[in-house]
Amino acid sequence: EAQVTQNPRYLITVTGKKLTVTCSQNMNHEYMSWYRQDPGLGLRQIYYSMNVEVTDKGDVPEGYKVSRKEKRNFPLILESPSPNQTSLYFCASSSFGGSYEQYFGPGTRLTVT
Amino acid sequence: GESVGLHLPTLSVQEGDNSIINCAYSNSASDYFIWYKQESGKGPQFIIDIRSNMDKRQGQRVTVLLNKTVKHLSLQIAATQPGDSAVYFCAERGTDSWGKLQFGAGTQVVVTP
Repeated sequence: EAQVTQNPRYLITVTGKKLTVTCSQNMNHEYMSWYRQDPGLGLRQIYYSMNVEVTDKGDVPEGYKVSRKEKRNFPLILESPSPNQTSLYFCASSSFGGSYEQYFGPGTRLTVT
Repeated sequence: GESVGLHLPTLSVQEGDNSIINCAYSNSASDYFIWYKQESGKGPQFIIDIRSNMDKRQGQRVTVLLNKTVKHLSLQIAATQPGDSAVYFCAERGTDSWGKLQFGAGTQVVVTP
């Protein structure tokens, strides 16, 4: 089954404790992206990647890091999480070809206390 | 499921009626627009897209209209069904980067019997 998987689905952590949210897709997509979703704000793009070893900032990259060492994986790293990073995070992927038919993962609910 | 928007505009539609969801976009240079649907507890799902050189595009039960003069996008859903209850987002892509997307805040559609 074609899908985007994220782990963990739920995470409660404390300020300053480094964490990684993994994202993996099995569709051989070149493009992958991370978003955060907060009430009333829609989705805001954190980082995106056009291909392996190519990453670019979205609208809200501060406090986040990403890497794209393999085509299928695009982990999101929070080196020193803060309470304002409490949010619902989505990973997405798509192929090139002019369409933004992005496939989204199920989301990761992160709470930073 | 997860609550994604506590203070979203809400459109209440009777089952069987047509729905019209509106979106004002910000960048007159945006060349590509997408509509997504997000059901409670799930990631967004692609519905339909349209390029800036078009003013109308139709899919299955959905039509997207683009008015570049007033920077307005709309999604029409024909014969609205209970399964159409969800939050709907528009997104735009600027011409500076293929990978960068900006989403609107979303509209909650509630289908009543």
